[in-house]
Amino acid sequence: DAKTTQPTSMDCAEGRAANLPCNHSTISGNEYVYWYRQIHSQGPQYIIHGLKNNETNEMASLIITEDRKSSTLILPHATLRDTAVYYCIVEETSYDKVIFGPGTSLSVIP
Amino acid sequence: EPEVTQTPSHQVTQMGQEVILRCVPISNHLYFYWYRQILGQKVEFLVSFYNNEISEKSEIFDDQFSVERPDGSNFTLKIRSTKLEDSAMYFCASRGPMNTEAFFGQGTRLTVV
Repeated sequence: DAKTTQPTSMDCAEGRAANLPCNHSTISGNEYVYWYRQIHSQGPQYIIHGLKNNETNEMASLIITEDRKSSTLILPHATLRDTAVYYCIVEETSYDKVIFGPGTSLSVIP
Repeated sequence: EPEVTQTPSHQVTQMGQEVILRCVPISNHLYFYWYRQILGQKVEFLVSFYNNEISEKSEIFDDQFSVERPDGSNFTLKIRSTKLEDSAMYFCASRGPMNTEAFFGQGTRLTVV
């Protein structure tokens, strides 16, 4: 029952920016966009989240369109260690369970 | 940096045996979760726990499963009579108050033989 659509897989050259798109056309006004990733069966790891404004932290940037129907996660300088499955998730409240879809499998290539 | 700790990292058990998977969530967190991931498949929600009771559970979380927070710090998942299909990675997660992210442990790999 994921509310998002992501490409199944993407490649990115090492050192280049990785831009991962996500569609969430049914998002409601009080729902946040969260991004997590999972590196090779490790525990999922939080990356970033936002409501309306673009956000940036030490890991990534999150660009949310003005109509909030889609977003892009940007890893500015991808490294081999960024190879992982990236999940875009829409959540309404702070205590919502995180529901994982299939995500995007990002391969960073030397 | 605070982290969620899970033990053991790997458990092998015989079919029909009971197993208890243990988790120590981050100390000031309020919401606790268990997930599982069968090899090659997506991460699936099992149960959420708040204020010392289950707040939500999935169809997977049947009568064979139970959760407990026995001492205010540990958070456990018990499987009463394991089946072969219970073999999976089990992840514990916790989150704090308003609009914060979930922190996941590194998982317990359960193998039922």
